[in-house]
Amino acid sequence: GEDVEQSLFLSVREGDSSVINCTYTDSSSTYLYWYKQEPGAGLQLLTYIFSNMDMKQDQRLTVLLNKKDKHLSLRIADTQTGDSAIYFCAESLRSNSGYALNFGKGTSLLVTP
Amino acid sequence: SAVISQKPSRDICQRGTSLTIQCQVDSQVTMMFWYRQQPGQSLTLIATANQGSEATYESGFVIDKFPISRPNLTFSTLTVSNMSPEDSSIYLCSAEGRGLAASSYNEQFFGPGTRLTVL
Repeated sequence: GEDVEQSLFLSVREGDSSVINCTYTDSSSTYLYWYKQEPGAGLQLLTYIFSNMDMKQDQRLTVLLNKKDKHLSLRIADTQTGDSAIYFCAESLRSNSGYALNFGKGTSLLVTP
Repeated sequence: SAVISQKPSRDICQRGTSLTIQCQVDSQVTMMFWYRQQPGQSLTLIATANQGSEATYESGFVIDKFPISRPNLTFSTLTVSNMSPEDSSIYLCSAEGRGLAASSYNEQFFGPGTRLTVL
């Protein structure tokens, strides 16, 4: 299948905002997700956005969706060292079982003091 | 939210052997999935584990290589058969359950993964 594209690496200073970008493949995806993976841990769902929304805010997280360009972004305000992790963008796609998540390769976020 | 555990967390195996990975969810879930995350790659769905029937495999994955069981609504196994070094990956189990809010989306929870190295 086609690839969900993400930049591989982002470095920010503690207290700054982080913006992680993603380009997905299927304009009919109903939901778009951001997952966080810390070293040695499983994937944690951070937030999601329904395809009929342009923006969703959840505490320090803001998700922006541009359906025309199939572009999704995650903004983390006041980034902390504990936010250092790999962030995966995912879209919902039809699969043989009816539903699947198509993931990007992940963006490694490094937060420096 | 659901808590998912996997065993083993990691293993090193010889080529030609098989490894069975177990996935346990702390609550009954409708859907369980198995993903593979190869080094430096994104997650790829292997199959959906169906309770009481054969798993549904995605393109490029077959039952003979990745047999899956799902005897009940909280447990599933994935076997990686006749392993080769190309099977070295992280294998993740996930489960889908309704969010606590009255929303229509299905939230997928992931286990910590099993890191497999084949020599």
